[in-house]
Amino acid sequence: AQTVTQSQPEMSVQEAETVTLSCTYDTSESDYYLFWYKQPPSRQMILVIRQEAYKQQNATENRFSVNFQKAAKSFSLKISDSQLGDAAMYFCAYRSARLDNDMRFGAGTRLTVKP
Amino acid sequence: DAGITQSPRHKVTETGTPVTLRCHQTENHRYMYWYRQDPGHGLRLIHYSYGVKDTDKGEVSDGYSVSRSKTEDFLLTLESATSSQTSVYFCAIRTGSSYNSPLHFGNGTRLTVT
Repeated sequence: AQTVTQSQPEMSVQEAETVTLSCTYDTSESDYYLFWYKQPPSRQMILVIRQEAYKQQNATENRFSVNFQKAAKSFSLKISDSQLGDAAMYFCAYRSARLDNDMRFGAGTRLTVKP
Repeated sequence: DAGITQSPRHKVTETGTPVTLRCHQTENHRYMYWYRQDPGHGLRLIHYSYGVKDTDKGEVSDGYSVSRSKTEDFLLTLESATSSQTSVYFCAIRTGSSYNSPLHFGNGTRLTVT
């Protein structure tokens, strides 16, 4: 079964600076999708960004971008110009392109933003 | 907003009692999921549904059952609650038919089993 690993339980960043959250995954498949979700204290799960494995170009959404390294099975999230509202738990997730049930989540990284 | 409502938002129950959590969607999406969230584990899939009366098990299905008699409702039942089932439960829907469609989540139910 595919596994998703987030090796940083906690990270902190100064407001306005840049931070990178790490995610690695294990799979034997060649076609799949990767996602980052944000969970603020409200508990709501919010989609931040997604990446298709067949695309070489890294996805970008405003201040959020990813560094997708398919050979290394790495999918890191970069947050630029960090804001206080970015403080949250961040979850990396993997979905197979074959199976309906197969969306796997990492354990999460708690991001603190210091003013 | 994908129109997902979970109820109740919070619940405290005693060991051995049955508990049913409800997920309601307003947009007739085919795929619905139940996850549990625990510290150190992220979200883990309990059961999912791919249509009315069509359900299947996920990674952590022991002790849980589900039912989907209508497209809009997906129920999760703990037949006899145990302390290990204390968790936050999320319902999710897939809003598109392709695999790159993200999941949209409800606001979660915090269940405490005493």
